[in-house]
Amino acid sequence: KAGVTQTPRYLIKTRGQQVTLSCSPISGHRSVSWYQQTPGQGLQFLFEYFSETQRNKGNFPGRFSGRQFSNSRSEMNVSTLELGDSALYLCASSLGLVGATDIQYFGAGTRLSVL
Amino acid sequence: AQTVTQSQPEMSVQEAETVTLSCTYDTSESDYYLFWYKQPPSRQMILVIRQEAYKQQNATENRFSVNFQKAAKSFSLKISDSQLGDAAMYFCAYSGNQFYFGTGTSLTVIP
Repeated sequence: KAGVTQTPRYLIKTRGQQVTLSCSPISGHRSVSWYQQTPGQGLQFLFEYFSETQRNKGNFPGRFSGRQFSNSRSEMNVSTLELGDSALYLCASSLGLVGATDIQYFGAGTRLSVL
Repeated sequence: AQTVTQSQPEMSVQEAETVTLSCTYDTSESDYYLFWYKQPPSRQMILVIRQEAYKQQNATENRFSVNFQKAAKSFSLKISDSQLGDAAMYFCAYSGNQFYFGTGTSLTVIP
């Protein structure tokens, strides 16, 4: 079974631009979560999508948005990029079970550099 | 709000020795899961071990085991017979209504 696939692996953008990251979950997984990882802040939860609906959201500004398609693939968009958005963006997929019983499986991440 | 704290930013261990990574968490929920994830230099986050809060028995996975103290809200990871491949960043995570991660512990294995 294929794992979680994130594309692209690396991105270089300039301030003010926007970017879209893609995540293909493990087959059969309906939940996709996004995280921002930086050396100083660790993993910060961005949002979770389940069956095309945002189910949970972290404390990030509205410049960060996402969506999920009917095949469970998810995209994350960041508009008006800032230098502080430089980070590793991780996607995790899971079955999406209700409550705390889920296990998240992670992709390799997309390294975004904002110049 | 739930928080996860890893107080050891860096740890080192001699090959074949045992090391314990600490994690504490704060929650008011009664039903939750705790996890340890490993992130090697290649960046892929891998699940190491999982503990259900309602189970008193500590989880074990080969050389990896946890010491789960629910009343103290402590969840430490013990790695026995450390190997060079164990070198990685280790994250403690809490799962209730959503996932919360600690800031990680960087483990170095000394040959």
